[in-house]
Amino acid sequence: GAVVSQHPSWVICKSGTSVKIECRSLDFQATTMFWYRQFPKQSLMLMATSNEGSKATYEQGVEKDKFLINHASLTLSTLTVTSAHPEDSSFYICSASDNRGSNYGYTFGSGTRLTVV
Amino acid sequence: QKEVEQNSGPLSVPEGAIASLNCTYSDRGSQSFFWYRQYSGKSPELIMSIYSNGDKEDGRFTAQLNKASQYVSLLIRDSQPSDSATYLCAASTDSWGKFQFGAGTQVVVTP
Repeated sequence: GAVVSQHPSWVICKSGTSVKIECRSLDFQATTMFWYRQFPKQSLMLMATSNEGSKATYEQGVEKDKFLINHASLTLSTLTVTSAHPEDSSFYICSASDNRGSNYGYTFGSGTRLTVV
Repeated sequence: QKEVEQNSGPLSVPEGAIASLNCTYSDRGSQSFFWYRQYSGKSPELIMSIYSNGDKEDGRFTAQLNKASQYVSLLIRDSQPSDSATYLCAASTDSWGKFQFGAGTQVVVTP
């Protein structure tokens, strides 16, 4: 149980274009999903908390107009990196919890490696 | 600044030995603690969760929590080469809260 699917697993895009990453909970409903970014040899940095049916909550220093998050259903959250630049190249990972809450740990998606050229 | 701190390693462990990983946290409000394993280029996978002081065992893994000392540890018994990975410690302050992750400890199990 508690499977989180993330697509695409990797993407290469040109500078200035936008990229959409999908995160789906396959066998449970997730009212809350989290989006992380991880640079090489660094830990996970929380970017935003995605809440179904409401606006996402962004961490300090994360541009909400650049990283658009939509959580339109209980099983899908999307992260769109707008006007991507090479410094946005990173490993993006989503996570979600089933209704038992974070006390049981979050399941991570497989991650998306974004390379902006 | 609420932080979770880990030694970055690498921690070199002979095959069959015990690997001991440590983690400290600064937020006394933290209630739930987790250990994740992350292979290079992959996303983290949950190994253990612990909420109460003391030890919790699951197979070859034992998590230890001491809230008074704000300390969490993970022991890996009979270490195998497949255990070579980065181990992330995480803490959460409430049931639906965000996780604070440590930077991770790289473990290298040598045959």
